Amino acid sequence: QSALTQPPSASGSPGQSVTISCTGTSSDVGAYDFVSWYRQHPGKAPKLLIYEVNKRPSGVPDRFSGSKSGNTASLTVSGLQADDEADYYCSSYAGSNKMLFGGGTKLTVL
Amino acid sequence: EVQLVESGGGLAQPGGSLRLSCAASEFTFSSYTMHWGRQAPGKGLVWVSRINKDGRTRSYADSVKGRFTISRDNAKNTVYLQMDSLRAEDTAVYYCARSYEWGLDYWGQGTVVTVSA
Repeated sequence: QSALTQPPSASGSPGQSVTISCTGTSSDVGAYDFVSWYRQHPGKAPKLLIYEVNKRPSGVPDRFSGSKSGNTASLTVSGLQADDEADYYCSSYAGSNKMLFGGGTKLTVL
Repeated sequence: EVQLVESGGGLAQPGGSLRLSCAASEFTFSSYTMHWGRQAPGKGLVWVSRINKDGRTRSYADSVKGRFTISRDNAKNTVYLQMDSLRAEDTAVYYCARSYEWGLDYWGQGTVVTVSA
């Protein structure tokens, strides 16, 4: 059960867009449309941004969007705001009622 | 507003045990699968365990299988994590979370577990 692979860091200026990738295998990301994305501010609990690859929970702005191609999922944050500076994690169903998280990406708003 | 409140964390010796609880409110607890995850200091999120609505199906990460046991009491709206044979590498903030289509839509504030002699 290896963690999904995310870039350790990403950055963008206010108003710009940034995309974070999440690479798994044909046994997890590539096999199921159960990829989720979370944002976590320091010292806080994670917050769900995207589920089932590209669906947004109620209350999450459409600046956040998700996609998947093969074994790689992506989160795009558009119209970057200062509050978007946080750690971002992906997760995927991995079969046998198990889940995997990515290693996390620290997003810096320049 | 959905609330999840973890408790039971603290200091344990290597080889010792702790039992975490997560009290749920403001939603129909028995209708949801629940998960535990953890985050070691300065590290990323790691999935730990899952229990389905009626408690009959349980799954675990390889790193805790055989040492941790997840359970739930739907009458008390509470999910538990019994942690035995604790190791230093189990030191982390432990979160419970509600499952929605394999996304975790509500999280507790976390409870800190420290394993040290």
